[in-house]
Amino acid sequence: DSGVTQTPKHLITATGQRVTLRCSPRSGDLSVYWYQQSLDQGLQFLIQYYNGEERAKGNILERFSAQQFPDLHSELNLSSLELGDSALYFCASSVAGDGDTQYFGPGTRLTVL
Amino acid sequence: AQTVTQSQPEMSVQEAETVTLSCTYDTSENNYYLFWYKQPPSRQMILVIRQEAYKQQNATENRFSVNFQKAAKSFSLKISDSQLGDTAMYFCAFIGSFQKLVFGTGTRLLVSP
Repeated sequence: DSGVTQTPKHLITATGQRVTLRCSPRSGDLSVYWYQQSLDQGLQFLIQYYNGEERAKGNILERFSAQQFPDLHSELNLSSLELGDSALYFCASSVAGDGDTQYFGPGTRLTVL
Repeated sequence: AQTVTQSQPEMSVQEAETVTLSCTYDTSENNYYLFWYKQPPSRQMILVIRQEAYKQQNATENRFSVNFQKAAKSFSLKISDSQLGDTAMYFCAFIGSFQKLVFGTGTRLLVSP
């Protein structure tokens, strides 16, 4: 158990819908990262937050957004869902950044029908 | 752009034997970090080992060790005394100044009795 929690574990929804994925980092970690793992794209970095502020951005679609709250938990919002958004979404956390080891949560499997 | 290449899509080894997984990366940076993560059938991403680029000494963690060749930009993982529980997908990953983990495409390792 990495200490990073993610909810829900599974999510099934329809095209065009909006979902929210939630992540709680390890105790003491200030950075939260979101990754997408799909069969055709592999593991892709989406976005990083550090202590409530966006710190780095990857190939995150405009339909996706994230935030980190004062209690350091983070949410990833996916809207206008398409079939291609079906993937495993991981949250990871680290103490700060700059090469600190990232510990991954169990992931949320999103299926868009 | 920073890239990570794992040229072995699949490997197999028998229990108690030693196996080496290859990884090469491309970067113009001098300070960075390298990781091996393991993803078993449960899909959880588990840290195996971490290497700081400024350290010449190769990292070791019990049965896992790396051969880090900075000039050659090579970072291979050696698993000694392979166990059935080592069966998993192994991902090599790089992080530099851009704060995002860049993953290779993975090597599927099968350990057989």
